[in-house]
Amino acid sequence: SAVISQKPSRDICQRGTSLTIQCQVDSQVTMMFWYRQQPGQSLTLIATANQGSEATYESGFVIDKFPISRPNLTFSTLTVSNMSPEDSSIYLCSVIGTSGGTGEQYFGPGTRLTVT
Amino acid sequence: AQSVAQPEDQVNVAEGNPLTVKCTYSVSGNPYLFWYVQYPNRGLQFLLKYITGDNLVKGSYGFEAEFNKSQTSFHLKKPSALVSDSALYFCAVRDWTGGYNKLIFGAGTRLAVHP
Repeated sequence: SAVISQKPSRDICQRGTSLTIQCQVDSQVTMMFWYRQQPGQSLTLIATANQGSEATYESGFVIDKFPISRPNLTFSTLTVSNMSPEDSSIYLCSVIGTSGGTGEQYFGPGTRLTVT
Repeated sequence: AQSVAQPEDQVNVAEGNPLTVKCTYSVSGNPYLFWYVQYPNRGLQFLLKYITGDNLVKGSYGFEAEFNKSQTSFHLKKPSALVSDSALYFCAVRDWTGGYNKLIFGAGTRLAVHP
């Protein structure tokens, strides 16, 4: 299994500012994902981040708002830009294990963001 | 596109009774199905998966799930519920659309096990 850590674990930010969330994995993984989850709600995929290529964004999410970096096989960042209260959510980093597509996907503990 | 549906927002069960959390899927091709659990203020934990083979899949914490192709279902079950099983449960399906590999989640079902 993969162990994933995220920083920060939570933050309170003012509207109009930006926050960068870091995701560190204890092993090399090809595919990393960023999800958003309202407390008690389902998870929505923001983007897929593969090392060495541009992130692929889901419908409703754009690079200007959620720029992603993937400098190597164990690390990624997600920035939430020009924040508004609607961005208040839990942001989760996720990776697929070594089994590839048939394997389970592992999740970080999440970053709880509150925008005031 | 692949999708899963969890028809129940909440399931209430008495401790010691069997529990079932329902999930139906809609996929083109062979489904790769997963169950995850989320305890309060904690991240998602993998419970079990169905890829191929035996329709009854056993997973963590005594949970199992039955894959039923004719009913397009993948219900999560446990013979005897514990209060500590109270959590949010998500069914998910692997989506390979567009050449990208991603996990699509259901809306989630809150399980409440009462003493």
